[in-house]
Amino acid sequence: AQSVTQLGSHVSVSEGALVLLRCNYSSSVPPYLFWYVQYPNQGLQLLLKYTSAATLVKGINGFEAEFKKSETSFHLTKPSAHMSDAAEYFCAVSDPGNQFYFGTGTSLTVIP
Amino acid sequence: DAGVIQSPRHEVTEMGQEVTLRCKPISGHDYLFWYRQTMMRGLELLIYFNNNVPIDDSGMPEDRFSAKMPNASFSTLKIQPSEPRDSAVYFCASSLRLAGATDTQYFGPGTRLTVL
Repeated sequence: AQSVTQLGSHVSVSEGALVLLRCNYSSSVPPYLFWYVQYPNQGLQLLLKYTSAATLVKGINGFEAEFKKSETSFHLTKPSAHMSDAAEYFCAVSDPGNQFYFGTGTSLTVIP
Repeated sequence: DAGVIQSPRHEVTEMGQEVTLRCKPISGHDYLFWYRQTMMRGLELLIYFNNNVPIDDSGMPEDRFSAKMPNASFSTLKIQPSEPRDSAVYFCASSLRLAGATDTQYFGPGTRLTVL
């Protein structure tokens, strides 16, 4: 069975600082991994996904995530935070033919 | 493509009333998902359909909740009777296949339900 854990329900960073949102997963098979972003009063939007190709995945809005099998992690990073990055971020895991499992979400606040 | 369409965007109703939420998935998508999002419980999968057939409804909280998909372009989630604890944002999502390399779930904007 798959599961995903997001460490830190709230993260605050200063504008221009590094963004690091943590995600660890458990999976009995090679997983597919996703990061979604949810802006206020909107639905979830795909940021990026890992599908067993390159371990470093680049997404939209300057975000990227690295799949580390040894650490069972898929942390999301962005070198320089922008005010518009303030949102809720969800990590998700799936295996082929099975359903998504979403994490509990991390709320990102960007301080001017 | 218009994306996943949900209606209404906001619904306010009184306890005991019937509530019907509607969803139009992206054309050509085989799978449709209903989620509920609350502060307390986060994002919960309620039910999902494959080719209009319900596959897993284990997330449906109780018999007051029901979902249908009469055709490939329309689904409803009904709550009867509604209760204040049903207040949440309900999302519909669709995908080409269940998970997988190209099977991203595309979410609608959600319906914010308030039961007084």
